[in-house]
Amino acid sequence: EAGVAQSPRYKIIEKRQSVAFWCNPISGHATLYWYQQILGQGPKLLIQFQNNGVVDDSQLPKDRFSAERLKGVDSTLKIQPAKLEDSAVYLCASSFENTEAFFGQGTRLTVV
Amino acid sequence: AQSVTQLDSQVPVFEEAPVELRCNYSSSVSVYLFWYVQYPNQGLQLLLKYLSGSTLVESINGFEAEFNKSQTSFHLRKPSVHISDTAEYFCAVTYYQAGTALIFGKGTTLSVSS
Repeated sequence: EAGVAQSPRYKIIEKRQSVAFWCNPISGHATLYWYQQILGQGPKLLIQFQNNGVVDDSQLPKDRFSAERLKGVDSTLKIQPAKLEDSAVYLCASSFENTEAFFGQGTRLTVV
Repeated sequence: AQSVTQLDSQVPVFEEAPVELRCNYSSSVSVYLFWYVQYPNQGLQLLLKYLSGSTLVESINGFEAEFNKSQTSFHLRKPSVHISDTAEYFCAVTYYQAGTALIFGKGTTLSVSS
């Protein structure tokens, strides 16, 4: 069974630029999550999708972050414009029945 | 609101010594509990989980955790650690049957030296 795929693995951008991350969940997993993990901290939920609908985006900074999952499969997370404090690892995860989340390897974003 | 507290940010131990990584959660409702491990530059891997049934759960590599509802704890233990166990360990919780996302603790860095 293929795992959660994320790209790119690494990204370096200047502040005020935009960036997008892509995630393809495990086949058949209806729930998809985006987490932000700042160095030295635990992952923090940004947004949770159930199929192509948003379940929870209460911690998503909507003035600069956006996410979509148009066909209920893969998803894109965008940041525009980026700030220095957005430097973090962005983790995508998926689950089948909310009993266990499977994580991708993450995208490490550095904003300079 | 739910929260997870990992009481130790760093735990240094010698190889073959026992270790306990402590985790407490705040929710008063039924929960699912998890321990994830993260190696450098990798994503999170599930180590073990408690959903229901026996309060003692085990992983394939010798770790175990015990769900203690009265103390709202889910401490992770291993009787004898190896160098390869050096990693970051995260405790996580989610609402029972509510479909909410995992809430993570801040993590504990386990450093095993010879």
